[in-house]
Amino acid sequence: DTAVSQTPKYLVTQMGNDKSIKCEQNLGHDTMYWYKQDSKKFLKIMFSYNNKELIINETVPNRFSPKSPDKAHLNLHINSLELGDSAVYFCASSQDALPGSRVAQYFGPGTRLLVL
Amino acid sequence: KNQVEQSPQSLIILEGKNCTLQCNYTVSPFSNLRWYKQDTGRGPVSLTIMTFSENTKSNGRYTATLDADTKQSSLHITASQLSDSASYICVVEGPSGGSYIPTFGRGTSLIVHP
Repeated sequence: DTAVSQTPKYLVTQMGNDKSIKCEQNLGHDTMYWYKQDSKKFLKIMFSYNNKELIINETVPNRFSPKSPDKAHLNLHINSLELGDSAVYFCASSQDALPGSRVAQYFGPGTRLLVL
Repeated sequence: KNQVEQSPQSLIILEGKNCTLQCNYTVSPFSNLRWYKQDTGRGPVSLTIMTFSENTKSNGRYTATLDADTKQSSLHITASQLSDSASYICVVEGPSGGSYIPTFGRGTSLIVHP
């Protein structure tokens, strides 16, 4: 069974379009995350949600809006896509959201977004 | 500015050999230092997690060490296997605005040859 799943796996779209990426975890975790990995494989955290509440928002443009309908889901909606948004987006989850907690994060397989 | 530097950028070794990957960081203070393994086309997988007060943590053939005084960590892989071919990423979590923000290194790309 897939612990953290993302859809779609690949997403090719035109500049200016609006798109969404879905993430679901079946681990019963309280905290979910979105990360962006650029073309140089450099990972950076974008958002973190705990029990549907935003706890980390790392200077991400307003065009990116995470939505958490419940603890098991954290979707990422992107408006007015730009060329620079092309990257691999990873969703992750962990059990505990206490600052500095030493728990493992489980990553999804990634969504490869290409903006043309 | 918080930085995490990893070396070498890439490494090629023969199957069965040991290797050590390095991570230097400027994040201070920090809560945790993590090592991840990322296979091509997959998400990162957690290998070890160490708090600032720990010196070493093992996970099978993977052993991470931490020297908080010199702000250095290393990941030692023993008896390498072909399946160890991957990117290894060092992550240091530091306080920011009431939470802890991870700073990622760019990773070391390891290739294990038969």
